[in-house]
Amino acid sequence: DTGVSQNPRHKITKRGQNVTFRCDPISEHNRLYWYRQTLGQGPEFLTYFQNEAQLEKSRLLSDRFSAERPKGSFSTLEIQRTEQGDSAMYLCASSLTGANTEAFFGQGTRLTVV
Amino acid sequence: AQRVTQPEKLLSVFKGAPVELKCNYSYSGSPELFWYVQYSRQRLQLLLRHISRESIKGFTADLNKGETSFHLKKPFAQEEDSAMYYCALRRTGNQFYFGTGTSLTVIP
Repeated sequence: DTGVSQNPRHKITKRGQNVTFRCDPISEHNRLYWYRQTLGQGPEFLTYFQNEAQLEKSRLLSDRFSAERPKGSFSTLEIQRTEQGDSAMYLCASSLTGANTEAFFGQGTRLTVV
Repeated sequence: AQRVTQPEKLLSVFKGAPVELKCNYSYSGSPELFWYVQYSRQRLQLLLRHISRESIKGFTADLNKGETSFHLKKPFAQEEDSAMYYCALRRTGNQFYFGTGTSLTVIP
C-alpha cells in the first residue's frame, strides 16, 4: 500500500498518560495535515506542515498537543496528559502544494482515553 | 472565517431515485471546493473537485457562487452509493475545512 499510513490504528490509554501517533505520507507529498474527528462531526483541522515547517496550528491544538515533522517526511503527533475529551479518531493526510490538489487520507488512529 | 454547512445529517433515497446532498459555504475569497466520500470501513477519499467539472461515479457538483453552494447530485442512486459524504473547502494553498457530513443510505 503506497498511500498514507498511520500507526497505531487503535490506542487505548489511561487518563494522564502520554501518547504518540505516527503518520507516513505519500513520499513525494510535501504537505502533511493532521485532523481530529469525533462522532457525528467532520474532520477538524489541527495543524499542517510544508516539508518540515509547521505552517499553521488550530486553536483546537492545546499546549498538550505537539506535532513534528523533523525531516519533512513522516510526522508524529503527541498528546501529553491525555484527557477523556481527547478520545477521537486522529487523521493524517498529505498532498502536493498548489491549487486544487487533493489531500490523501490515512485510515486514522482511534484513541480511547479511559 | 471559512465555514462549510451540510444541513442534512441523514439522507435516505430509493435505488434509482435522484439524490442531492446539500453543501453551503461561507468564504470571502475564491474557494476551492471538494466532495470527499467515506465508504464503510474505508478511508476518506476524494470524490470530485469543482475545478474539474467532471462526473465521477455519476455524481456531479456545480459551484454556485451567488448562492454559495456546491450541492452534489446524481440522477439515479445506486446501492453502492451508500456512504458518508463530506463537503470541503480550502483556501488556496492552505488547509481543508470540512462540513459535518451527510450519511446517504440507498434503499434497495
